[in-house]
Amino acid sequence: GAVVSQHPSRVICKSGTSVKIECRSLDFQATTMFWYRQFPKKSLMLMATSNEGSKATYEQGVEKDKFLINHASLTLSTLTVTSAHPEDSSFYICSASLVGKTQYFGPGTRLLVL
Amino acid sequence: GDSVTQMEGPVTLSEEAFLTINCTYTATGYPSLFWYVQYPGEGLQLLLKATKADDKGSNKGFEATYRKETTSFHLEKGSVQVSDSAVYFCALGTNFGNEKLTFGTGTRLTIIP
Repeated sequence: GAVVSQHPSRVICKSGTSVKIECRSLDFQATTMFWYRQFPKKSLMLMATSNEGSKATYEQGVEKDKFLINHASLTLSTLTVTSAHPEDSSFYICSASLVGKTQYFGPGTRLLVL
Repeated sequence: GDSVTQMEGPVTLSEEAFLTINCTYTATGYPSLFWYVQYPGEGLQLLLKATKADDKGSNKGFEATYRKETTSFHLEKGSVQVSDSAVYFCALGTNFGNEKLTFGTGTRLTIIP
């Protein structure tokens, strides 16, 4: 199947700093990328959907100025957590797909904000 | 809104036991239904799917049937193996151009030899 990578796999940062997470589709061009957040023992929560070259669509309750998403090419999307605080600590997962097709998931990035 | 209710784990079974993980859903319209599996240290992988009522999805010995009358999509396998140990997620998708997925909470399955 298609491969999606995420970088970094783990990151620890100080409160108030910004963190960028990359999501890449390695062997296909993804028209759509999704960003999820997973809390311990909870389900994946969709944060936003991004289409290459256009602004991301955020789910209700997700702060777009807090979680900046850029989908600059068909193989790369980035999520930047701005001015991170401890409550932003979580597991962030991206997925990539062609329009209306199966989503392929990355392995996730664990963020810890001290 | 759309939601997925999934059997809470963890579930521990002996090798060759029969597996059922229950999943029910609430959705408007006619969603597609999915089971994803997450092996330790890896991303979610699509295990099987069904796109309309009475469809049966199957893969690697796992099966699930889309039951509209009971709004269910239970995952079954007749004889589990140690290598099936993973976290299983039930999900529904609404196809409005993008397959927007709503996930259940996941069920951790451990198979002991």
